Amino acid sequence: GAGVSQSPSNKVTEKGKDVELRCDPISGHTALYWYRQSLGQGLEFLIYFQGNSAPDKSGLPSDRFSAERTGGSVSTLTIQRTQQEDSAVYLCASSRWGLNGNYGYTFGSGTRLTVV
Amino acid sequence: TQLLEQSPQFLSIQEGENLTVYCNSSSVFSSLQWYRQEPGEGPVLLVTVVTGGEVKKLKRLTFQFGDARKDSSLHITAAQPGDTGLYLCAGANAGGTSYGKLTFGQGTILTVHP
Repeated sequence: GAGVSQSPSNKVTEKGKDVELRCDPISGHTALYWYRQSLGQGLEFLIYFQGNSAPDKSGLPSDRFSAERTGGSVSTLTIQRTQQEDSAVYLCASSRWGLNGNYGYTFGSGTRLTVV
Repeated sequence: TQLLEQSPQFLSIQEGENLTVYCNSSSVFSSLQWYRQEPGEGPVLLVTVVTGGEVKKLKRLTFQFGDARKDSSLHITAAQPGDTGLYLCAGANAGGTSYGKLTFGQGTILTVHP
């Protein structure tokens, strides 16, 4: 598609429930990233996929968080047993990947997750 | 761990004023990017600077990368209400544990009043 698509745009869930967030990156972009953003703040890195390499999971805050990327395209971020502190906007981005990291990210509009 | 510190965190000015946002780190970056984000949207890339000392201009916006590639600034001339938003700097590193991903600053919330 023309841009990065994320769904759902908004999700309200009860504490303790599992949620799945979806990201459809730009076709041909080999790198895919998940970030988390609290209200009006900077971005917290979660996980990064690059081609067929093992993902960089160093930013996942706990083992309740996991992500997969199927066929080098669509990615799903799963949060199990959600907690109120998981409430945030989850942003997905994709990029063409260069050795110097010079290529910018294209972000989706995010999924606003609210845990009640 | 690489950190980027942005200042100021908040900036509220009148239309027509000039402003500068700073992005500083103790780490060297291979490139640095600036993004602008509006409410309900993802950040949008404004510019990438690569060479130490590089200056790029985008209409009323001027971006500079420090000589040592550890810091950057964004200067806006004659700000307009349409410039309102969250400005984020982000550093890229070609090696080490940060390879392949950007480190973001905490952002500067700019409000330009008519």
